[in-house]
Amino acid sequence: GAVVSQHPSRVICKSGTSVKIECRSLDFQATTMFWYRQFPKQSLMLMATSNEGSKATYEQGVEKDKFLINHASLTLSTLTVTSAHPEDSSFYICSARDPGGLTGELFFGEGSRLTVL
Amino acid sequence: DAKTTQPPSMDCAEGRAANLPCNHSTISGNEYVYWYRQIHSQGPQYIIHGLKNNETNEMASLIITEDRKSSTLILPHATLRDTAVYYCISLASGTYKYIFGTGTRLKVLA
Repeated sequence: GAVVSQHPSRVICKSGTSVKIECRSLDFQATTMFWYRQFPKQSLMLMATSNEGSKATYEQGVEKDKFLINHASLTLSTLTVTSAHPEDSSFYICSARDPGGLTGELFFGEGSRLTVL
Repeated sequence: DAKTTQPPSMDCAEGRAANLPCNHSTISGNEYVYWYRQIHSQGPQYIIHGLKNNETNEMASLIITEDRKSSTLILPHATLRDTAVYYCISLASGTYKYIFGTGTRLKVLA
């Protein structure tokens, strides 16, 4: 089946630094990818929709200058958490749809756990 | 997209069927019901989806009521590895902006 991979799976950084998380669709091309964040014992919250070749669409309350999204190719979207602070510590998950898939579902990455010290 | 409501938690004995309900009383005619599950610290995994008819695959069965206001996910023989949070999502055809509710935390007991 279709695979979406994220890297890194875990990252620890100091407060004030920026962290980049990559999301790749390994065996299909994805014009649209989605980024979620998840705090402990809570549900996934949609942050933004990443569109290949154009600007991302952010959900209400998500700072676009804080969470930079780049979707430069049909298989790669990146999320950069700029000037990270401890409250940005979270589990970040991306997803993508396989346009050629039969069931129409979204495929999710393994997630990236960010810890900001 | 319609709002879904699910019980926060359920227990199920290993080997027995796990029946997970979901209410989607405001669902519209073109909205599908999707089920995903999330095992601790992993990304969600697709299970099954349906529109009107009951569906079955190698993982589970999906029973949708005739009025489509609710559905039940059935894991026929639950194993310990089925312990996870199960999410029911309603989604209009052609859209992929998933909004996750709180889900049901299923614990399969030995």
